[in-house]
Amino acid sequence: EPEVTQTPSHQVTQMGQEVILRCVPISNHLYFYWYRQILGQKVEFLVSFYNNEISEKSEIFDDQFSVERPDGSNFTLKIRSTKLEDSAMYFCASSERDMGYEQFFGPGTRLTVL
Amino acid sequence: AQSVTQPDIHITVSEGASLELRCNYSYGATPYLFWYVQSPGQGLQLLLKYFSGDTLVQGIKGFEAEFKRSQSSFNLRKPSVHWSDAAEYFCAVGARQAGTALIFGKGTTLSVSS
Repeated sequence: EPEVTQTPSHQVTQMGQEVILRCVPISNHLYFYWYRQILGQKVEFLVSFYNNEISEKSEIFDDQFSVERPDGSNFTLKIRSTKLEDSAMYFCASSERDMGYEQFFGPGTRLTVL
Repeated sequence: AQSVTQPDIHITVSEGASLELRCNYSYGATPYLFWYVQSPGQGLQLLLKYFSGDTLVQGIKGFEAEFKRSQSSFNLRKPSVHWSDAAEYFCAVGARQAGTALIFGKGTTLSVSS
């Protein structure tokens, strides 16, 4: 069964450093998403992406964040200058275009900012 | 404002007993409704979804949920809980359009006692 994959599973970085989180969505899906979950809190939407453009973004997704689809398979989330409060689990998801879509989630990348 | 409320933070159920997890939502348009399950250290797995039609939907692992428009609820049920059902359960609501955000509740942690 096709699945969303994410790398790395765990990333540790120093405050102020740039990080790139990588995702490989399901191959025939057209919409891609990033969510985050701070430890003990609910899952929060960051951004959605379609046809090489951002479709929707939340207030959390400020200028420190960017997304890119650098090739036909990868979808990345970049955090330009990490802060302590960026420590969280980041989930990638993908979905088809048609009505009745559902978002398929990857296993997540745990980001720890020291 | 769009929101999802899961009133129960933590529930403990005896193995073999029935389960009901509550979910109430506030959403401007007709929503899509989802239940996801997250085991420790794992990603989000879709249990079931409601898009339209029969308001009682069946999912994986013996779970079902009932959509009640008049009560803005989408409660999850299982007639007989197994120890492997211990996990965190998230209710989510989304628009009827791909590329839009899912809004998650804060989750309910289910513990199963023997």
